[in-house]
Amino acid sequence: GEDVEQSLFLSVREGDSSVINCTYTDSSSTYLYWYKQEPGAGLQLLTYIFSNMDMKQDQRLTVLLNKKDKHLSLRIADTQTGDSAIYFCAEIYGGSQGNLIFGKGTKLSVKP
Amino acid sequence: GAVVSQHPSRVICKSGTSVKIECRSLDFQATTMFWYRQFPKQSLMLMATSNEGSKATYEQGVEKDKFLINHASLTLSTLTVTSAHPEDSSFYICSARDLSRSPLNTEAFFGQGTRLTVV
Repeated sequence: GEDVEQSLFLSVREGDSSVINCTYTDSSSTYLYWYKQEPGAGLQLLTYIFSNMDMKQDQRLTVLLNKKDKHLSLRIADTQTGDSAIYFCAEIYGGSQGNLIFGKGTKLSVKP
Repeated sequence: GAVVSQHPSRVICKSGTSVKIECRSLDFQATTMFWYRQFPKQSLMLMATSNEGSKATYEQGVEKDKFLINHASLTLSTLTVTSAHPEDSSFYICSARDLSRSPLNTEAFFGQGTRLTVV
């Protein structure tokens, strides 16, 4: 079945850049997403990228998409302690009316 | 962005009782709502998809008689965990999509989640 893979942990120092990587399997995905989950909370959509784009930048966030390798990354510039959370990569499976398939999430720890 | 309100945020119940979780879209019509379950250190597992006015579609392995889903209006969906057991303890999250925003809109909005503990 469809699968989304991402590393489980990432630790960075405050002020450094964080890069969270993700691979997916459904080549027909039209949108790919990054969600942020803070402890005990639901998911917050951070950003998304349409499949015909290679890059999208939104303030401190940069999303890179390599469709050939089915690789998605999220770069957070000038990482702050408030960025500590779990970040989920997700793809839409089954067309625009389909379901979101999530990775297991990457826990980002930011050390002062 | 659109707001999805999920209630309660935490609930503790005794084994054998039933618990109802509500998911409301506050400023849009949610034609489709999704219910997820999240286990510790694991990703979200889609339990079921519900469309307003019709029966929910359950994912393989999810007992429809145990996890009752009702989507009676465009702004409210409920998940009832019947005859709860300790193994049902988990974090449940609802999600809603507003397909009226765009035919191709795929953005989903999430509730804050409900931590269910069955003792």
